[in-house]
Amino acid sequence: GDSVTQTEGLVTLTEGLPVMLNCTYQTIYSNPFLFWYVQHLNESPRLLLKSFTDNKRTEHQGFHATLHKSSSSFHLQKSSAQLSDSALYYCALLSNTNKVVFGTGTRLQVLP
Amino acid sequence: GGIITQTPKFLIGQEGQKLTLKCQQNFNHDTMYWYRQDSGKGLRLIYYSITENDLQKGDLSEGYDASREKKSSFSLTVTSAQKNEMAVFLCASSNGWDEQYFGPGTRLTVL
Repeated sequence: GDSVTQTEGLVTLTEGLPVMLNCTYQTIYSNPFLFWYVQHLNESPRLLLKSFTDNKRTEHQGFHATLHKSSSSFHLQKSSAQLSDSALYYCALLSNTNKVVFGTGTRLQVLP
Repeated sequence: GGIITQTPKFLIGQEGQKLTLKCQQNFNHDTMYWYRQDSGKGLRLIYYSITENDLQKGDLSEGYDASREKKSSFSLTVTSAQKNEMAVFLCASSNGWDEQYFGPGTRLTVL
């Protein structure tokens, strides 16, 4: 079945350094949708980015990601981390089953 | 725009009790989801429904029942609450091939 693998556990960065959270996926479906959701403390998850177009960069709120079907990847990046970026980040896959598969989540902690 | 409402916000139950959580959405979305989130952990899919009266099991369906009474509402029942169980149950909805919108959650505590 479909699956999503993310950078494990906790990623700790100093403010101002670049962010990269890895996401790879497995599906037999050739046209999956990929999403990044962000969940801040005591809030519900909300959409950060989405893409279904191969090799096209998508950006929102300073974050960007590019879907690469050749490597089944959708890594999340930001050039300069801010304290307010501290949150739980989920990569998610939607294929033809109409069921969204979430990764286990990566907690990003940005320190001053 | 739209909104997802979950009731109750907080639910305290006794061991062995049957507990029902409710979710309403006014996005007119076809698909609705129930997730469980344990403290500091990721989302685990319990049930989802792609249309009224449809039910699909997620990875964590054992110990739960669900009901999609109408397009706008999706209920989840904990069939027998487990002692010391604590978790947040999140409802979400989406329109086919698009993002999910999440409700504010129901926080369950079992004494």
